Amino acid sequence: ETGVTQTPRHLVMGMTNKKSLKCEQHLGHNAMYWYKQSAKKPLELMFVYNFKEQTENNSVPSRFSPECPNSSHLFLHLHTLQPEDSALYLCASSQPSGANVLTFGAGSRLTVL
Amino acid sequence: DQQVKQNSPSLSVQEGRISILNCDYTNSMFDYFLWYKKYPAEGPTFLISISSIKDKNEDGRFTVFLNKSAKHLSLHIVPSQPGDSAVYFCAARPTGTASKLTFGTGTRLQVTL
Repeated sequence: ETGVTQTPRHLVMGMTNKKSLKCEQHLGHNAMYWYKQSAKKPLELMFVYNFKEQTENNSVPSRFSPECPNSSHLFLHLHTLQPEDSALYLCASSQPSGANVLTFGAGSRLTVL
Repeated sequence: DQQVKQNSPSLSVQEGRISILNCDYTNSMFDYFLWYKKYPAEGPTFLISISSIKDKNEDGRFTVFLNKSAKHLSLHIVPSQPGDSAVYFCAARPTGTASKLTFGTGTRLQVTL
């Protein structure tokens, strides 16, 4: 596989559930990102990892917990979410510096009931 | 406060004509600007970029213009094709922060036959 792959593509969960989103990139990039896209809002940066280290947390509530075990994999662990957290969650990767062209995955559409 | 604004949520253009998508920004520290295109059920894909040291960058049918004094950039697509129908996002990056891209809300382009 090439590019950035996200699973699952769709997820429905209750407010008390625990679930995880997974992202995998096969581009040899060393930076990975989580973005959130809500209806009629800009893409919002959530987290940035460079060489497996978290370098950016954009004031994200603790019910979202990222994990980056290596430069190719990124997870977003979800716990006790609210209905307003329903959104499209996009993973991206890039080289950590330079022109910073992000390559995005197709996204995971999350619905919180 | 939105630092990158795309004030037109949608645009309809006839095939063969020029499509002009606009983007305004407020942060004077932005020095690199990108356009991404997004089809339904896919992640955004990089289209074209421009550095603040230039005022124009061209790639085939796509040209991006940057007016720094007006804090305005535009994407021109000539000639427009039905396959160009997608949502176009403008994004900008501040000086010295390669990882922090700020996105606009997007403009949906519909190219009609």
